[in-house]
Amino acid sequence: AIQLTQSPSSLSTSVGDRVTITCRASQGISSDLAWYQHKPGKAPKLLIYDASSLEGGVPSRFSGSGSGTDFTLTISSLQPEDFATYYCHQRGTFGQGTRLEIK
Amino acid sequence: EVQLVESGGGLVQPGGSLRLSCAASGFTLSSYWMSWVRQAPGKGLERVATIKEDGSEKYYVDSVKGRSTISRDNAKNSLFLQMDSLRAEDTALYYCARVRLWSVAGILDLWGQGTLVTVSS
Repeated sequence: AIQLTQSPSSLSTSVGDRVTITCRASQGISSDLAWYQHKPGKAPKLLIYDASSLEGGVPSRFSGSGSGTDFTLTISSLQPEDFATYYCHQRGTFGQGTRLEIK
Repeated sequence: EVQLVESGGGLVQPGGSLRLSCAASGFTLSSYWMSWVRQAPGKGLERVATIKEDGSEKYYVDSVKGRSTISRDNAKNSLFLQMDSLRAEDTALYYCARVRLWSVAGILDLWGQGTLVTVSS
């Protein structure tokens, strides 16, 4: 089974920062990768699909890139509502998550 | 409104059973693969089970194989997860999620708010 490894596992950041989260697949998965945002007690929210396509209604400060085994999620200018945990996902396998914390 | 609403969670003793339900509205359930995903306290997301549109294919994470059964009633717009022989490590918030149409990658594009399962004596 494919494994997804995210880094970092947590990140202390500030409003306005540019944030990059990486996800590495144990084998090539083309562009079949999605990113989700998850806040405590809330339903996870799809942000990016097919590695780089922005889900409808998601702010343009979120972007995704990559193919094969290496992928990134970038938030261009962090907003207060973006402090959450982010997961990459492919065919039922999730990365371990990256928690964004307020510095 | 397009939504998923889970129910059926609660406190159960080790070895006990629970049946989780997920009510779908605003879309045609029979057109979609569906999944259950859980989050244990302090842990990340874990896909528990997935079922094909017509129920003819089912997939489970190894840790619940033989103890859990995913099923659906498309006529009643409902998804289920029967959980037996529950263990403390099954304690989690369980989400129902819809798999996007034609998605090779199994994109989960609609999620419920979750139902909490606590296994404890």
